[in-house]
Amino acid sequence: GDSVTQMEGPVTLSEEAFLTINCTYTATGYPSLFWYVQYPGEGLQLLLKATKADDKGSNKGFEATYRKETTSFHLEKGSVQVSDSAVYFCALSDYTGGFKTIFGAGTRLFVKA
Amino acid sequence: DAMVIQNPRYQVTQFGKPVTLSCSQTLNHNVMYWYQQKSSQAPKLLFHYYDKDFNNEADTPDNFQSRRPNTSFCFLDIRSPGLGDAAMYLCATAPNVAQGTDTQYFGPGTRLTVL
Repeated sequence: GDSVTQMEGPVTLSEEAFLTINCTYTATGYPSLFWYVQYPGEGLQLLLKATKADDKGSNKGFEATYRKETTSFHLEKGSVQVSDSAVYFCALSDYTGGFKTIFGAGTRLFVKA
Repeated sequence: DAMVIQNPRYQVTQFGKPVTLSCSQTLNHNVMYWYQQKSSQAPKLLFHYYDKDFNNEADTPDNFQSRRPNTSFCFLDIRSPGLGDAAMYLCATAPNVAQGTDTQYFGPGTRLTVL
């Protein structure tokens, strides 16, 4: 079945450092790919998404490119801030799986001032 | 603002005492989901509704039930909570997209404590 694998955390960075969180997927169809972010004590919220190969999703300085050849959707940000500290979930949604989204295990990011 | 609302944000119950969590949405979305999330792990899907069609995940315990009386509201009933049911419960919605699901919109969650 469909699955999402993302790098284990926690990831600890200093402010203004470059961030990469790796995410790879397996899917039988043509999934949409997402990054969701969860701040402490809150629900998940969409950070960015891409719906087809070579699409780049971007939001708040974060970017991820849908790479079909490597089945990857790595999250990047050029300069992190303390306020980016959160848990990041990579996810896919594939119609062949019904109205469901498959989430990765999540990667916790700590950014130090 | 259109949104997903969960009440209460924090719920304390006793071992074995039934509890109901509620979710409402102003997005008019067809699909509603209930997830269980422990310690910032990935959300675990319990069940979802497509309109009034109920879809239970195979590994969701019988202890968990759900009701959706109308488009706007959805309830999670835990008939006999155990200590292992202490978790964050997340409600989410999604529009009915012809080619499959799109973005899910999450509520803030209800943190359940079982004493």
